[in-house]
Amino acid sequence: AQKVTQAQTEISVVEKEDVTLDCVYETRDTTYYLFWYKQPPSGELVFLIRRNSFDEQNEISGRYSWNFQKSTSSFNFTITASQVVDSAVYFCALSDVDTGNQFYFGTGTSLTVIP
Amino acid sequence: GAGVSQTPSNKVTEKGKYVELRCDPISGHTALYWYRQSLGQGPEFLIYFQGTGAADDSGLPNDRFFAVRPEGSVSTLKIQRTERGDSAVYLCASSHTGAGGLFRGTDTQYFGPGTRLTVL
Repeated sequence: AQKVTQAQTEISVVEKEDVTLDCVYETRDTTYYLFWYKQPPSGELVFLIRRNSFDEQNEISGRYSWNFQKSTSSFNFTITASQVVDSAVYFCALSDVDTGNQFYFGTGTSLTVIP
Repeated sequence: GAGVSQTPSNKVTEKGKYVELRCDPISGHTALYWYRQSLGQGPEFLIYFQGTGAADDSGLPNDRFFAVRPEGSVSTLKIQRTERGDSAVYLCASSHTGAGGLFRGTDTQYFGPGTRLTVL
């Protein structure tokens, strides 16, 4: 069965600190996609990144970076030099060949960046 | 360009009433999805449309829930005989092609702001 676990429910950091949000997934498929979304207080889910199971290269986009490790079934997200605007709930999601259309979301990690 | 839009942003209704929630996807996106998000949880899949047809409605919780997309663009989620447990944020998403062919489940889904439904 497909499952996404975000063990960190809430995290608070002081501005300019680095923070890593964990995501562990389960799937029996060898072909799958992983996503991160940001949900600010306004409520709209904002797409951040998509990764397929065949590409384990880490990715960096500005202050954001992602570490994909198939050996541990993890797809962790790091924010460097956090800012107050990073405060939001972050969701990790999985889509695989078996489920196809639907995304399986974790329960989210609520990040608060304190000025 | 315009993103996914949903109306109303908030809906308060009484138990037993009928409600309709509307979603307008990104122009040109053939795939449309409905999710439900309860407080403190991630979104849960309800139904997926490819064009006008519901290709996967396995997430609809019961027969009080129904969705249509008659012209392959705007979709309406309909809930009959609402119950207090239906209170949640209903999210709509669209993607360029959705599932199918060699690239099942690969398209990024872009979400709307949601409709917060409160059943009193």
